[in-house]
Amino acid sequence: AQSVTQLGSHVSVSEGALVLLRCNYSSSVPPYLFWYVQYPNQGLQLLLKYTSAATLVKGINGFEAEFKKSETSFHLTKPSAHMSDAAEYFCAVSDLKAAGNKLTFGGGTRVLVKP
Amino acid sequence: DVKVTQSSRYLVKRTGEKVFLECVQDMDHENMFWYRQDPGLGLRLIYFSYDVKMKEKGDIPEGYSVSREKKERFSLILESASTNQTSMYLCASSSPSGGPYEQYFGPGTRLTVT
Repeated sequence: AQSVTQLGSHVSVSEGALVLLRCNYSSSVPPYLFWYVQYPNQGLQLLLKYTSAATLVKGINGFEAEFKKSETSFHLTKPSAHMSDAAEYFCAVSDLKAAGNKLTFGGGTRVLVKP
Repeated sequence: DVKVTQSSRYLVKRTGEKVFLECVQDMDHENMFWYRQDPGLGLRLIYFSYDVKMKEKGDIPEGYSVSREKKERFSLILESASTNQTSMYLCASSSPSGGPYEQYFGPGTRLTVT
């Protein structure tokens, strides 16, 4: 069975500082990996996805993530935090062998941006 | 632009009531999903469907059922609502063709059972 672990349920960063959100996964096959963002009282929106092409993936709003197979990690970064980045972030892995292409989500990391 | 809509943003029901949550997508997606979201637990899959009239249990199906009579619509049913079903419910859809199977989410329904 696949699983996703996000280290840290809450992260606080200063505006302009680096944002680093950690995600580790377990999967028996090469995975597809995703980062989603959820703003207050909204559904989830796709930030970026890894699909076995380039290991460094660029997404929307200045975010990027690097797939490291040896570390089974897919950490999300943004060089300079903005107040609008305050949200909850979810890492997910796709189960390609299962019908319906299910996603398994991590527990989420809530980001607080301090002025 | 894919659009997934959910019938209510906020819902308050009493214990024992039968509750229907509706989800509609406009992109002709084959796959549809129902999740519940609770603090610290992320999203947990309740049920999903990969075709009309087809359904499969997810990780936490107890106390729920689903219906998919038309491709664009996927309903979640709480047969007898209980207070431990107070949660945020999210619907999603995806297409299996072409990969990488990203899911598109609705805005969510925050259900309170009193």
